Amino acid sequence: AAGVIQSPRHLIKEKRETATLKCYPIPRHDTVYWYQQGPGQDPQFLISFYEKMQSDKGSIPDRFSAQQFSDYHSELNMSSLELGDSALYFCASSSTSTSGGGTQYFGPGTRLLVL
Amino acid sequence: AQRVTQPEKLLSVFKGAPVELKCNYSYSGSPELFWYVQYSRQRLQLLLRHISRESIKGFTADLNKGETSFHLKKPFAQEEDSAMYYCALSAGGTSYGKLTFGQGTILTVHP
Repeated sequence: AAGVIQSPRHLIKEKRETATLKCYPIPRHDTVYWYQQGPGQDPQFLISFYEKMQSDKGSIPDRFSAQQFSDYHSELNMSSLELGDSALYFCASSSTSTSGGGTQYFGPGTRLLVL
Repeated sequence: AQRVTQPEKLLSVFKGAPVELKCNYSYSGSPELFWYVQYSRQRLQLLLRHISRESIKGFTADLNKGETSFHLKKPFAQEEDSAMYYCALSAGGTSYGKLTFGQGTILTVHP
């Protein structure tokens, strides 16, 4: 079965640069979530989208923005990168319409390193 | 605000021994609780959700609202159970909200 796809898997950037992370949810999933996991830390919720509209917002810096497109894929845009942004960024998707609705399925993550 | 606590960062047991991974939560409403597992070099996978009342790979977890706990148990641990385990909470009694994760417990099952 198709899983959540994230690209790129690894990304190295310099301070003050920008980065774009992409997430392709499982087909027919209508909700996408973004999480950030710093070194040795638990995943922290950043933002979510339901049917292309922002549905919830967590501790996402103002330097970050995200959106969900008409094909349901999502992009997380990160500007003015700081060293502290180095982390593993997970995307998850879920469906509100299936019998097991709401279960979040995670992608493999994008590991961002800011130098 | 919701909070999930996993008091044990590391847990080691021998194969065939019982294992219990502790999870406590704080949330004023009606939460939904999950256990996610991450095997080496793999993505986070759902192991259990409390509303399903299923037993997956021999693991069970019971939601104890009085003690605000959702401990994960398995009577006989196997080497392939070695992984990182996260307890997570979804607020509001729905399955559609953001997850708040605990700090994770690394389980090592020795032969």
